[in-house]
Amino acid sequence: EAQVTQNPRYLITVTGKKLTVTCSQNMNHEYMSWYRQDPGLGLRQIYYSMNVEVTDKGDVPEGYKVSRKEKRNFPLILESPSPNQTSLYFCASGIFGGSTEAFFGQGTRLTVV
Amino acid sequence: AQSVTQLDSQVPVFEEAPVELRCNYSSSVSVYLFWYVQYPNQGLQLLLKYLSGSTLVKGINGFEAEFNKSQTSFHLRKPSVHISDTAEYFCAVSELNAGNNRKLIWGLGTSLAVNP
Repeated sequence: EAQVTQNPRYLITVTGKKLTVTCSQNMNHEYMSWYRQDPGLGLRQIYYSMNVEVTDKGDVPEGYKVSRKEKRNFPLILESPSPNQTSLYFCASGIFGGSTEAFFGQGTRLTVV
Repeated sequence: AQSVTQLDSQVPVFEEAPVELRCNYSSSVSVYLFWYVQYPNQGLQLLLKYLSGSTLVKGINGFEAEFNKSQTSFHLRKPSVHISDTAEYFCAVSELNAGNNRKLIWGLGTSLAVNP
């Protein structure tokens, strides 16, 4: 089954404790992206990757890191999480920048206390 | 820069009534258009898309949308809604950026609440 898998689905952590949210896709897509979703603000892009070893900042990259060492994986790293990073995070993949369709993971609800 | 406006943040409607969720975008130069649906506690899934060709696009679950280039709109419609259509709906536009890559620009979403 074609899918984008995120883990964990839910995470509660404390301020400053490094964490990683994993994302994996099995569709051989070149393009992958991370979004955060907040009430009233819709979806905002954090980082995206056009291919292996190619990443770029989205609209709200501050406080986040990503890596793309393999085509299928695109982890999101929060080196020192803060409460304002409490949000619902989505990973997405696509053939080329969403030009035809973006496939989304189920989401990760992160709470930073 | 491209922007996407979903004109209604919330749309309440009764079951079996028709519904229209409105979406306008700012520039029609080389755009692709999408509607996504997000059911509670789930990720987004594609409802329908317009890439080229016929301006009336049919999607899943009985939804359709019409691309109107002159009005830069891509409104989503369904003639008769069900309780199960209760969800958040997002309009998105894919446009070419300065690097000749495509980027998705998102609307803020419309919450559709179908009441019995």
